[in-house]
Amino acid sequence: NAGVTQTPKFQVLKTGQSMTLQCAQDMNHNSMYWYRQDPGMGLRLIYYSASEGTTDKGEVPNGYNVSRLNKREFSLRLESAAPSQTSVYFCASKIKDYTFGSGTRLTVV
Amino acid sequence: GENVEQHPSTLSVQEGDSAVIKCTYSDSASNYFPWYKQELGKRPQLIIDIRSNVGEKKDQRIAVTLNKTAKHFSLHITETQPEDSAVYFCAASIADRGQNFVFGPGTRLSVLP
Repeated sequence: NAGVTQTPKFQVLKTGQSMTLQCAQDMNHNSMYWYRQDPGMGLRLIYYSASEGTTDKGEVPNGYNVSRLNKREFSLRLESAAPSQTSVYFCASKIKDYTFGSGTRLTVV
Repeated sequence: GENVEQHPSTLSVQEGDSAVIKCTYSDSASNYFPWYKQELGKRPQLIIDIRSNVGEKKDQRIAVTLNKTAKHFSLHITETQPEDSAVYFCAASIADRGQNFVFGPGTRLSVLP
């Protein structure tokens, strides 16, 4: 039982490059989330998916897109990375409580 | 919508002392209040939670209290140890509606040896 698995763990991008962060959960949770956490700051919601086939914007969606591929997988895409998107990204899933993935540390240079 | 405030933003205590972190929420319909601990470089993990039908809940050295009338809840850590050093996040939600959690901004706790 792996819980929530995120890949990659680390990534360095050049400004303007694109990439997709992958997230998968094996707990049969309906809800999945993407958060970003900047140094010394709290968790800011980017997008969420309440169930398979639905996605909604969170607090800071600009510059990101998401896909809820199936019940297990929820991916986050940066189409044209910017230095302001340098952050640690956490995926999470939830029935009663949130279970977070181990995070992706993204640096955009 | 719900707004959660958390104080203090940083807290330093001597090993063995107690630590208290306070959160307030705005939506009186919120009925579920979890606390998450995030150690340096790690993911946030649930450490304790409380529902609105309970005033206090304890788990070994940690406890959470809830005052529904005042719309605030607190995390209490007794006999602090160096491994308690972390960022703590409170959150609020309406559990039965499957709502997203609204997180507080976090408190960085440092336990000094």
